[in-house]
Amino acid sequence: KNQVEQSPQSLIILEGKNCTLQCNYTVSPFSNLRWYKQDTGRGPVSLTIMTFSENTKSNGRYTATLDADTKQSSLHITASQLSDSASYICVVSSTGGGNKLTFGTGTQLKVEL
Amino acid sequence: SQTIHQWPATLVQPVGSPLSLECTVEGTSNPNLYWYRQAAGRGLQLLFYSVGIGQISSEVPQNLSASRPQDRQFILSSKKLLLSDSGFYLCAWSALAGDHNEQFFGPGTRLTVL
Repeated sequence: KNQVEQSPQSLIILEGKNCTLQCNYTVSPFSNLRWYKQDTGRGPVSLTIMTFSENTKSNGRYTATLDADTKQSSLHITASQLSDSASYICVVSSTGGGNKLTFGTGTQLKVEL
Repeated sequence: SQTIHQWPATLVQPVGSPLSLECTVEGTSNPNLYWYRQAAGRGLQLLFYSVGIGQISSEVPQNLSASRPQDRQFILSSKKLLLSDSGFYLCAWSALAGDHNEQFFGPGTRLTVL
């Protein structure tokens, strides 16, 4: 069964600090992995996408890594801001009809002053 | 540019009442369309997806149904709501031959069944 597990479940950090979120997956056959940011009460918005051959991808202060051998990904947030407070969801796509995705339950990040 | 709309934004319904949530996409043709439900503390669960008008695939058994009467319109319905239907419902679209099959999400509908 395809699964995506994220850790930690929740995280509180001070503004300006860095943090790293983890994602482990057991999805086969693997197509790509995305990190989404979901503000409270809103739809998820894509941050990064990585295919099998990519091991790092940046989007501003967000940097995602992928180790396809160990089936692990991380999302590093640099110099956090209050607006980074959100749920960060790891999503893994498997090849097959209908573009089906397997979603993690997300890491709830809160950035405080 | 493409945009996706959902309405209503929030809805409070009594148990046993009907449901109709609407999703429309602008700026693209022949999209794949999806309905997801997100329960508190849970990951997004795919409910239905559609690859074309009148073509609906159901991922989980439930008392919900979906319809696609037009190319860019996707409707989620129920004849009688259950308490367990409460949740955050998200519609999404992807291009048939898009960049790595990326899905774009709508703003969501918060449904509370009392």
